This record gives sequence, structure tokens and C-alpha cells, in this order.
Amino acid sequence: EDQVTQSPEALRLQEGESSSLNCSYTVSGLRGLFWYRQDPGKGPEFLFTLYSAGEEKEKERLKATLTKKESFLHITAPKPEDSATYLCAVHATGGFKTIFGAGTRLFVKA
Amino acid sequence: KAGVTQTPRYLIKTRGQQVTLSCSPISGHRSVSWYQQTPGQGLQFLFEYFSETQRNKGNFPGRFSGRQFSNSRSEMNVSTLELGDSALYLCASSPRDLPPYEQYFGPGTRLTVT
Repeated sequence: EDQVTQSPEALRLQEGESSSLNCSYTVSGLRGLFWYRQDPGKGPEFLFTLYSAGEEKEKERLKATLTKKESFLHITAPKPEDSATYLCAVHATGGFKTIFGAGTRLFVKA
Repeated sequence: KAGVTQTPRYLIKTRGQQVTLSCSPISGHRSVSWYQQTPGQGLQFLFEYFSETQRNKGNFPGRFSGRQFSNSRSEMNVSTLELGDSALYLCASSPRDLPPYEQYFGPGTRLTVT
């Protein structure tokens, strides 16, 4: 069964303290892996799509990387406004379903 | 361009009743997906529609149904509501016709069943 697991469940950082979030996946065949950000009371906001192992994407303080088993979202010198839940999702071959992980809640303290 | 809109934003229903939620995708987007989000289960896929056809359905009972209209607007219906149906229902649309596709989410409809 296709599965997405994110760790840690929650992460507390000081402003400027860089870290990484992990997303490990088990799918029959990966078509694409996505990262989203969700603020409380809002729908998820699309950040990145990664298609194949070795690919990297960057946006401001965020950098997403992909291997054959997992993806990392690196956050460099985070600011309090980066506080949110970060969701990882995959599209597997053979369907039109998106499978989401449970998310990592990030708290950045000034 | 206007984002994905969902109506109503909040809804309170009683067990046994039925409910219809509406979603208008971003203009030009033909793929629309629905998700249920709860604190315990996270985001769970309900179904995906493209050109009025359901292409995929998640593991939900038959009480959950949906449809898409020719203008890509979509509705989902839940009949015989149960307390466990209380959740945030999210609609998302995509500019691509085939996966893998990024999705753009609406603000959701918060359904409370009492």
C-alpha cells in the first residue's frame, strides 16, 4: 500500500536556526512528490514539485531535495513567519490520487 | 486570477441530515479533487473529477458522493451524517490534466455534525 510518513511531528526552532524536515515514501512507482505549507484555518499552499531522485528546488529560505526513498525540506535561517504545518504528498503511478503525509508542525521563535 | 472558492465556509448539521458543499476551481482548471482533513487522520483523499468524470475515489463509504459540472465547478454530498464526519472539507484544482499535478486549495468548508 502506498504510504507517506513525515518526521518529526513537530519541530521548535529559534529564529536563524536551520533544520530539515523529512518525508519518506513507499509507493509502487513515483510520478511526483509535492511539498505544501498550511497555515491554521487555511487550505494548503503549493510550494514544490519534485519528479526524480537527485532533483532539488529552492524558494527563498526553503530547499527541497529528493532521493529514491525520501525527500527533505531544508529551512535555512528560518523566521517566525515560516511557522506553519508542512505537508508532503505523492502521486503514484496508475492513479489520480494524491496521498498526503500527516505533516510537520514548525514553530519558529523570535 | 481568482483562487479556488468554497461555499459555505462553515456549516452545522445534525446527525442523519445530508449536506452539499460547493467548489469553484480556478478559471481554466479542469481537474478538481476533494479531501477531508481531521486532526487524527490528516488529509484524506475523497475523489477526483476531470471533465465531469470521476477518475479516482478514496476509501470512504458510499454516503460520500460528488459530481462535476460542465463549467468544472464541483459539488460533494454527504448523506446520513455521522458525528465522525465533522471535519474540514477541502477542494483543490489543478492546471494540468494528468498527474503528477500540483494543486491549488480553497479555504475549506468547516462541517460540524452534532
